[in-house]
Amino acid sequence: EPEVTQTPSHQVTQMGQEVILRCVPISNHLYFYWYRQILGQKVEFLVSFYNNEISEKSEIFDDQFSVERPDGSNFTLKIRSTKLEDSAMYFCASRRRTGVGGGELFFGEGSRLTVL
Amino acid sequence: KNEVEQSPQNLTAQEGEFITINCSYSVGISALHWLQQHPGGGIVSLFMLSSGKKKHGRLIATINIQEKHSSLHITASHPRDSAVYICAVKHTGNQFYFGTGTSLTVIP
Repeated sequence: EPEVTQTPSHQVTQMGQEVILRCVPISNHLYFYWYRQILGQKVEFLVSFYNNEISEKSEIFDDQFSVERPDGSNFTLKIRSTKLEDSAMYFCASRRRTGVGGGELFFGEGSRLTVL
Repeated sequence: KNEVEQSPQNLTAQEGEFITINCSYSVGISALHWLQQHPGGGIVSLFMLSSGKKKHGRLIATINIQEKHSSLHITASHPRDSAVYICAVKHTGNQFYFGTGTSLTVIP
């Protein structure tokens, strides 16, 4: 069964360092998302990506965040200068645009980021 | 912004019990998703609903668009159903809003 894969599963970094989280969405999907979940809190939307550009982003997704789909398969989230409060689980998700509501969301297993 | 409220926040049930988890939202939507988050953190999609009712095995999801309310039912609950169940809603745009989740523990 096709699945969304994310790497790394866990990354520890020093405050101020750049981090890149990688995702390989399901191959025939058209919409891609990044979400984060701070420990003990709810899942929060960061950004959606369609047709090689950002379609929506939340207030969390400030200038230190960026996304790319450099080669048609990988979908990356870059955090330029990490802060302690960026420590969270980051989930990638994808969906096809089929039917009402846009189809089922498929999530990756998540990348846990710890900023020291 | 859509406020998504789930109830209860925590639920403990005996194996075999019928379970209901509720989700209410404040703004009209194009779709509602029920998600299951495992203890390890991974998230799995259970249902996507835009109207009516869906059933998959022991899980049933319903939505009432007029009342802005959805329910997830689990029949004959089992300890392996223990997880956090999350409601997420989508507007006509591309952004999803998530509830805080319902933590379910099923005791043998």
